Amino acid sequence: AQSVTQPDIHITVSEGASLELRCNYSYGATPYLFWYVQSPGQGLQLLLKYFSGDTLVQGIKGFEAEFKRSQSSFNLRKPSVHWSDAAEYFCAVAYVNTDKLIFGTGTRLQVFP
Amino acid sequence: GAVVSQHPSWVICKSGTSVKIECRSLDFQATTMFWYRQFPKQSLMLMATSNEGSKATYEQGVEKDKFLINHASLTLSTLTVTSAHPEDSSFYICSARDRARGGDTQYFGPGTRLTVL
Repeated sequence: AQSVTQPDIHITVSEGASLELRCNYSYGATPYLFWYVQSPGQGLQLLLKYFSGDTLVQGIKGFEAEFKRSQSSFNLRKPSVHWSDAAEYFCAVAYVNTDKLIFGTGTRLQVFP
Repeated sequence: GAVVSQHPSWVICKSGTSVKIECRSLDFQATTMFWYRQFPKQSLMLMATSNEGSKATYEQGVEKDKFLINHASLTLSTLTVTSAHPEDSSFYICSARDRARGGDTQYFGPGTRLTVL
């Protein structure tokens, strides 16, 4: 079955530190890949997406993600975290010719000053 | 661009009543809209896919008669929770796909928190 795994339920980092959130997907074909961020009580905001081409994609708010086919991964990174980055982060995949967006379980990011 | 709104943002109702939630794409036409449900500290679960002018496609386990979806125009989809009960309390989020912008990106609304007393 198609699935998305975010191994880290909760991550705590200090402001200014680097960040990497992990995401792995299971399926033979390359899906469309997304990272969304959700602040408490709010909807989801698209950070970045990968459909094809350059495997390193740049997003908003200084985030980037790298697609690694060999590892079936799409990890999200940021070189220097800001306190305002504290939120829930969801990785999601969509497969070509399907309507469904499959979400991971999310990673809650906490940022300490 | 690609803004999706939901109304209301929160609603409290008595058990047995029906609640309608609206989802609008403000600056693009959405031939397809999606309805998700999110329980506290959990991920989003797709409830149904709504295509303009046709019947919604429900995910397995989602009661069609309880969660009525209407997608009457290219910018509006509604979700009606009929005869709501406390177990229907949840955060409901819609999204809309803008094919004109390319690819399969879904843009999400801010969500509606439903509390059934």
